Amino acid sequence: DQQVKQNSPSLSVQEGRISILNCDYTNSMFDYFLWYKKYPAEGPTFLISISSIKDKNEDGRFTVFLNKSAKHLSLHIVPSQPGDSAVYFCAASPQGGSEKLVFGKGTKLTVNP
Amino acid sequence: KAGVTQTPRYLIKTRGQQVTLSCSPISGHRSVSWYQQTPGQGLQFLFEYFSETQRNKGNFPGRFSGRQFSNSRSEMNVSTLELGDSALYLCASSPVPLAAGGETQYFGPGTRLLVL
Repeated sequence: DQQVKQNSPSLSVQEGRISILNCDYTNSMFDYFLWYKKYPAEGPTFLISISSIKDKNEDGRFTVFLNKSAKHLSLHIVPSQPGDSAVYFCAASPQGGSEKLVFGKGTKLTVNP
Repeated sequence: KAGVTQTPRYLIKTRGQQVTLSCSPISGHRSVSWYQQTPGQGLQFLFEYFSETQRNKGNFPGRFSGRQFSNSRSEMNVSTLELGDSALYLCASSPVPLAAGGETQYFGPGTRLLVL
């Protein structure tokens, strides 16, 4: 049973527009969430994280929103750039501390020039 | 500062063989985790080590094992390889575990294992 779901396997946006990547989770014990970006032939790279005590965290062009009641988080990229084209993974960490990150299956973002 | 390094980068083995993969964390990082990435299952947690002790283990059979050395380097071993073990194996390190206030894990490029 998938505890972290990224229901859109792919997303295509125009350069300069907003990219919104979504992630849903089922385990209410998750209290720390991360987004990673992955280029082909490279390991995932950390982008941004959010703790369950917050509902928004911003870092430059990247903003993550957390809706605990809906068990939903989203990553907004504004403005999108062609270099943002990659696979984006959402990950969650359970309460009480564990390195046992649970990952979604990823969303492939393509930003068209 | 050098990133997480994994060796070898590519490996081809046959069913029934065993394999050992190596991971050198970022200097100063003491927590090392291993993940398996396959197209069907995505990224799945294998195990995590901190200060030479295994702290967590994912839902993988006993054929998958690992260890961490005093210099924080880690190895994972897969015995009696099966075709389904073909995957990208990723190692990630962090200064301290997320539980202790670490922000994230830093991933290596992975070892791509093909079992024939």
